[in-house]
Amino acid sequence: QKEVEQDPGPLSVPEGAIVSLNCTYSNSAFQYFMWYRQYSRKGPELLMYTYSSGNKEDGRFTAQVDKSSKYISLFIRDSQPSDSATYLCAMSGRTYKYIFGTGTRLKVLA
Amino acid sequence: DTGVSQDPRHKITKRGQNVTFRCDPISEHNRLYWYRQTLGQGPEFLTYFQNEAQLEKSRLLSDRFSAERPKGSFSTLEIQRTEQGDSAMYLCASSPGDFDSGANVLTFGAGSRLTVL
Repeated sequence: QKEVEQDPGPLSVPEGAIVSLNCTYSNSAFQYFMWYRQYSRKGPELLMYTYSSGNKEDGRFTAQVDKSSKYISLFIRDSQPSDSATYLCAMSGRTYKYIFGTGTRLKVLA
Repeated sequence: DTGVSQDPRHKITKRGQNVTFRCDPISEHNRLYWYRQTLGQGPEFLTYFQNEAQLEKSRLLSDRFSAERPKGSFSTLEIQRTEQGDSAMYLCASSPGDFDSGANVLTFGAGSRLTVL
C-alpha cells in the first residue's frame, strides 16, 4: 500500500461546478498537508497547505484535513477553465521527506 | 525574493552527452531537493541537501548522476553519459527545514525539462 493515494482522474466538470479532490494516507505522523497545482510542462505551484489539522480557505479554494480518517480534500468553488491542471497532494511529518500523490487531472469545460 | 529558479528550462541533448542543471533556492531555506517527474506521475525524490551537506540519495540516483551544493547556496545536478530513459522534468525545490514553524512546506522551481535524443 502506498503512503499516499490519489485518484488520477481525469475529472471533467462544467464551468461553475464545485470540484472535490481527495487524497488518503496511512502515516499518522504527517503534520503538513499540501496541495500543488501543476500546468502541463510546468513545475508544481504551491496552492494551499494546512499544518496539523482543520480547514483553510483562500478565495475559491478550501483545504480540509480529517486526521481521524486520514483523508484530505481540496474544494474548488465556481470552477473556471483556467483551473484545468493536475492537482498534487503532498504530506510530510518531522522528517525531510515529502510524500506525493500521483496527481489528479482536472478539466473544467467552458 | 523571486522564489526557486532553475536553469535551463529545457535542454535537448544527444545520448551519451553530459548535462548540468542549476538551481537557486529561496535564500532563507536551508534544505534543497531534487526530484524527477515523468508524464502522469508525481515527483520522485532524487536527493536532498541541508545547507551544503548531501544527506540522502535515492536508489534512482545512479552513479551517472551527481549533485552538489557548494557553500550551501545554489545547487547543480549533473547527468553524465545521458540515456533516453533520463528524459524527464527535473524539479528543484527548497524548504525552511524548521518542522515546528508551521510553514515547513516545499516550494518548487519551474523545472528543467530534459530531452535525450
